[in-house]
Amino acid sequence: DAGVIQSPRHEVTEMGQEVTLRCKPISGHNSLFWYRQTMMRGLELLIYFNNNVPIDDSGMPEDRFSAKMPNASFSTLKIQPSEPRDSAVYFCASSIQGAHRTQYFGPGTRLTVL
Amino acid sequence: KQEVTQIPAALSVPEGENLVLNCSFTDSAIYNLQWFRQDPGKGLTSLLLIQSSQREQTSGRLNASLDKSSGRSTLYIAASQPGDSATYLCAVTGETSGSRLTFGEGTQLTVNP
Repeated sequence: DAGVIQSPRHEVTEMGQEVTLRCKPISGHNSLFWYRQTMMRGLELLIYFNNNVPIDDSGMPEDRFSAKMPNASFSTLKIQPSEPRDSAVYFCASSIQGAHRTQYFGPGTRLTVL
Repeated sequence: KQEVTQIPAALSVPEGENLVLNCSFTDSAIYNLQWFRQDPGKGLTSLLLIQSSQREQTSGRLNASLDKSSGRSTLYIAASQPGDSATYLCAVTGETSGSRLTFGEGTQLTVNP
């Protein structure tokens, strides 16, 4: 298996632009997680889905952030409009559903908003 | 709100040394605890997962212990190697938080040849 796939790996954009991050989970996994990592705040869960349904979005910072999972093999995290403070590494992870299951992380997308 | 703390923030040791990384959490009502490794510019790799009913888990040169009542976990690395250099993060899942992981800030380990 190729593992969790994220694209793009790097994104540089200007403030105010729309940014879309993409994730393909491991085949057969039915839970998907979006995390953000910064020096100041560490690694934080933004949202997670079970069977394509959002379960916990309490970590989504504000309405500028939205996440979708239209099917079991694809998810997007969108920021509109982007701001410099959104600059971070965004990770996607997947697992078989269940709190006792290991989460497998993708390589991350490094976002820089100028 | 669950808070996870890792000590030390950074550690530098000579090759071959045995070492211990520490993790503490404020709410002992956890479902499990995991230790991850993160290499620069890469994602996280799960090393060990300890269920709340377990005391320890071992994988090769790694041994993780859990004392749920005191809110502590340790990761023991035996006979460290330069390839062990990375950031190590611990994370807990709360009993009522579903699959939500709360992470510590990590310990940056450097093993010098």
